Amino acid sequence: NAGVTQTPKFQVLKTGQSMTLQCAQDMNHNSMYWYRQDPGMGLRLIYYSASEGTTDKGEVPNGYNVSRLNKREFSLRLESAAPSQTSVYFCASSSEGEKLFFGSGTQLSVL
Amino acid sequence: GNSVTQMEGPVTLSEEAFLTINCTYTATGYPSLFWYVQYPGEGLQLLLKATKADDKGSNKGFEATYRKETTSFHLEKGSVQVSDSAVYFCALFSGGYNKLIFGAGTRLAVHP
Repeated sequence: NAGVTQTPKFQVLKTGQSMTLQCAQDMNHNSMYWYRQDPGMGLRLIYYSASEGTTDKGEVPNGYNVSRLNKREFSLRLESAAPSQTSVYFCASSSEGEKLFFGSGTQLSVL
Repeated sequence: GNSVTQMEGPVTLSEEAFLTINCTYTATGYPSLFWYVQYPGEGLQLLLKATKADDKGSNKGFEATYRKETTSFHLEKGSVQVSDSAVYFCALFSGGYNKLIFGAGTRLAVHP
């Protein structure tokens, strides 16, 4: 009954540090997404993967990279974190693209 | 391009009050429309959807009608409860882009 699992739940980084956010889903979904949520701006799509082996940029891809490791896993990497990347990050998955299932989020602070 | 505009919050209501959260959209073609809800400390979850004009989506006492003539999908509930306190997101799915586009979200706070 796991659904979409994100790790870690909280992270504090210093400017310039790197880290990878992990996401895994157990629903056999083809599509996976990474969003960031900022106050007053709703959810903005960073990257998405329509199927295993493919990734595409969303609205705000700069400063991020992604890897669709296999059908289950979709990771988001910050190579050199900046304070502007302080946000709450959500991973989501879907089978037909309309109904998304979300993880519980990662709260990231970059000092 | 496609976009979604929601009324700004927060919306503060007393228990059993009537709720309306406005949502309008801009899109080419005939998008599917959604309301997602985010309870404190959780990810978003689908509340209701409508896939064509004049469809009414409903769930947990919430309703929204797809109005193509006014490009709107307003969320309503006749009698809110404290447990409805959450952030509500309107969204559209356009097949051409193959992804959901979200509004900014509206925070609802319901007091006893």
